[in-house]
Amino acid sequence: SQQGEEDPQALSIQEGENATMNCSYKTSINNLQWYRQNSGRGLVHLILIRSNEREKHSGRLRVTLDTSKKSSSLLITASRAADTASYFCATDDNAGNMLTFGGGTRLMVKP
Amino acid sequence: NAGVTQTPKFQVLKTGQSMTLQCAQDMNHNSMYWYRQDPGMGLRLIYYSASEGTTDKGEVPNGYNVSRLNKREFSLRLESAAPSQTSVYFCASSAITSTDTQYFGPGTRLTVL
Repeated sequence: SQQGEEDPQALSIQEGENATMNCSYKTSINNLQWYRQNSGRGLVHLILIRSNEREKHSGRLRVTLDTSKKSSSLLITASRAADTASYFCATDDNAGNMLTFGGGTRLMVKP
Repeated sequence: NAGVTQTPKFQVLKTGQSMTLQCAQDMNHNSMYWYRQDPGMGLRLIYYSASEGTTDKGEVPNGYNVSRLNKREFSLRLESAAPSQTSVYFCASSAITSTDTQYFGPGTRLTVL
């Protein structure tokens, strides 16, 4: 079973636009992470937000976390064709033993 | 630093054959993981090892065995491959626990006929 569920499953935008992806989860967490996966490659860590944080920035990435709604969002501003990838949220099991990944959002940025 | 390496990159097996997927990390990480990713889906944890000498089941362990050979290496074995095990397999490692950043290998694409 998946702890995190991303929405939308697929997103297509033009270069320069912003892309927003959402993640919902079911049980309490210590932190939530976002990863990117380019086609045919392994996952690359983007950002980690702890349960006591509400917002975090890294370059063109902005992540928010609402623990009351059990949801997070990833915003990519001024998107580029190179941002085309699948994006996954991942939550821990509170014991710190394993991460559970959602099904991902497939983002396509058209030049 | 090579990070996390996996061998082989591709493999085709017949039903019932066995094979071992190899994984190694050079970051001195304590924890290592094996995931599988089916088409269009997220990753599912097969097994993990929180430290050298320990292994634990993840979400989908049936049909697999693992060995944490030393701190660097974590192998995944399919004793009798089945078509349902056709997938892409990723190894990952993290410094201490799964709540730390995980670093992924490039994956092994396995097809079982």
